[in-house]
Amino acid sequence: DARVTQTPRHKVTEMGQEVTMRCQPILGHNTVFWYRQTMMQGLELLAYFRNRAPLDDSGMPKDRFSAEMPDATLATLKIQPSEPRDSAVYFCASKRLNTEAFFGQGTRLTVV
Amino acid sequence: GEDVEQSLFLSVREGDSSVINCTYTDSSSTYLYWYKQEPGAGLQLLTYIFSNMDMKQDQRLTVLLNKKDKHLSLRIADTQTGDSAIYFCAETANRDDKIIFGKGTRLHILP
Repeated sequence: DARVTQTPRHKVTEMGQEVTMRCQPILGHNTVFWYRQTMMQGLELLAYFRNRAPLDDSGMPKDRFSAEMPDATLATLKIQPSEPRDSAVYFCASKRLNTEAFFGQGTRLTVV
Repeated sequence: GEDVEQSLFLSVREGDSSVINCTYTDSSSTYLYWYKQEPGAGLQLLTYIFSNMDMKQDQRLTVLLNKKDKHLSLRIADTQTGDSAIYFCAETANRDDKIIFGKGTRLHILP
């Protein structure tokens, strides 16, 4: 049963700390997305990759956020330093070209 | 730029039909999707439609696409309590294959 796996599922951290979220896309999927979900903004596209190359990260605050794909089986999203306004659910999704995207269960981040 | 709009809330009586509407701006959209999100979970694909189609039916779900007006709707027949969730409309275009979502419509089922 192929699925997108995100870790951790929940993270509580203090303001100023570094946060790293991880995503294992479905094997064979060459496009990976990071979305952030909040009540106010809905689902915002932060960044996405195709064949591990970043295609668009314009939705991401560059000064504190970074997204990478060290290899085809791992995507990471880092926040350094974290702030309370970063509290949200972060979703990873993967897909093949011209197919639907499959979502992970999300990482619920709380920055206090 | 791309934008997807949908109403935020819908209340429907159990057994009635639910109709969730969505508008989008990108005329080059090739696929339009409906995703469902239950509490505490990720998004699951419900159904999708190619832009060269105007209707798709799948059991209790009917998707209508008016490409001229850039309007998409999802009809759920015989709405059940298990249909209570947030429904997201989304679109993607061939040129970049990124998926843009609306803010989601929260469907509330009345007894």
